[in-house]
Order: sequence, then structure tokens, then C-alpha cells
Amino acid sequence: GAGVSQSPRYKVAKRGQDVALRCDPISGHVSLFWYQQALGQGPEFLTYFQNEAQLDKSGLPSDRFFAERPEGSVSTLKIQRTQQEDSAVYLCASSLFYEQYFGPGTRLTVT
Amino acid sequence: ELKVEQNPLFLSMQEGKNYTIYCNYSTTSDRLYWYRQDPGKSLESLFVLLSNGAVKQEGRLMASLDTKARLSTLHITAAVHDLSATYFCAVGGSLYGGSQGNLIFGKGTKLSVKP
Repeated sequence: GAGVSQSPRYKVAKRGQDVALRCDPISGHVSLFWYQQALGQGPEFLTYFQNEAQLDKSGLPSDRFFAERPEGSVSTLKIQRTQQEDSAVYLCASSLFYEQYFGPGTRLTVT
Repeated sequence: ELKVEQNPLFLSMQEGKNYTIYCNYSTTSDRLYWYRQDPGKSLESLFVLLSNGAVKQEGRLMASLDTKARLSTLHITAAVHDLSATYFCAVGGSLYGGSQGNLIFGKGTKLSVKP
């Protein structure tokens, strides 16, 4: 079946621009996670949804980062007024039980 | 705060050799994962270990978990070039516990297998 999909795959933004990254989880998966992966590092947790409820947003690095999942399916990660340090790969994962299935990621480059 | 440490971070090995990657974590957790990542690609799940003494094997890779020592190992047997990738261990870190929490990742081990 279809896996986790993310769009766009690549995004170049000028510093100060707002961006929106989309995640389509595996159908029926209750849990959805966003991670940020800097070059040469392991993914770092940003936020977690169970259905439409955002249960943990402790990993969001600043109030410029905002995530939503209004209908408990598709999720959007929004970054306002992008900064160079936001350049990274943003990974989405969905889960039904223990296993987390990762999407291909969105590579964000802020110039 | 849950921390995950992997070693080595870089590993260059010859085809046919055996080696082990180590993953230590700092606090109690009920879930230990191993993922593989190829350059420019996403994470591919290799193993999920859920109990003390768990051992799982797939092809030339074998993972084990010792929850008392807070240690997991990924053993590579008779390495082949196709195993070249970065390997991450990750531990369940949610305040909510259970099976649905977020993962805390190690820095990864970049494995290069040479002929």
C-alpha cells in the first residue's frame, strides 16, 4: 500500500519567507510525528499528534514553528519568517502501534 | 532527559568481516529501534526490540537488547558493499510512555564497506 508521502520534496526559501510543509500519513494511522534532521545528524523530535490532538510540541525550536492536523489525517508544518538555521530535512512519520513509518522528507534550504 | 549514544560514529570495514555497532541510552525505555538511511533517502526500519533479551535477525544483521545495561547492539556478519549506509538507533522517549511516543535518535553510525 501507499506509504507516508511529503510535499514538496525540496524547498528553497529566502530568509524571512514563510513555508508550509505537508505530510500525508498512511491511511488509518492514528499517530503522526514531525522530526528535523540537520546534515550529518540524527532526526530530532519536533511534535506529535494523536488524531487531531497535538499531544506534544516540546521539540518545536521556536514560536515560528507551528503544526496542525485539523482532521486527524494530513498534517502541515509551518515555519514563519524562516532563518538560515532552519535549513534541514523535515521528516514526517506515522504510526499505528510501535512501528514508525517515515516519509521521504522535505529538504528545506534557507538562503 | 533521555540521551542515546552510538559508537562508533564512523566505521570502515572490508567485505567479509564482522563488526558490532553499540547503542547506549540513559534512562529506562520500553522500545528500541534500528533504522537504516541511505544518502538522500528517508529512514528504513530494520528492527524493533521490545523486551529484555530480545534478539532479531535479518540477513547479515542481528540486533539485541539488554534493558538492564541500557544497551543494544547491531551485529554485522560477513559485510557486503550493499550494507554501506548510516545506521541509527532510537529509543522511545515520550512523556506519555507506551507505544505511541516520539523517538530519541543517536547520531548515527556511517558504515562504509569496501571490497
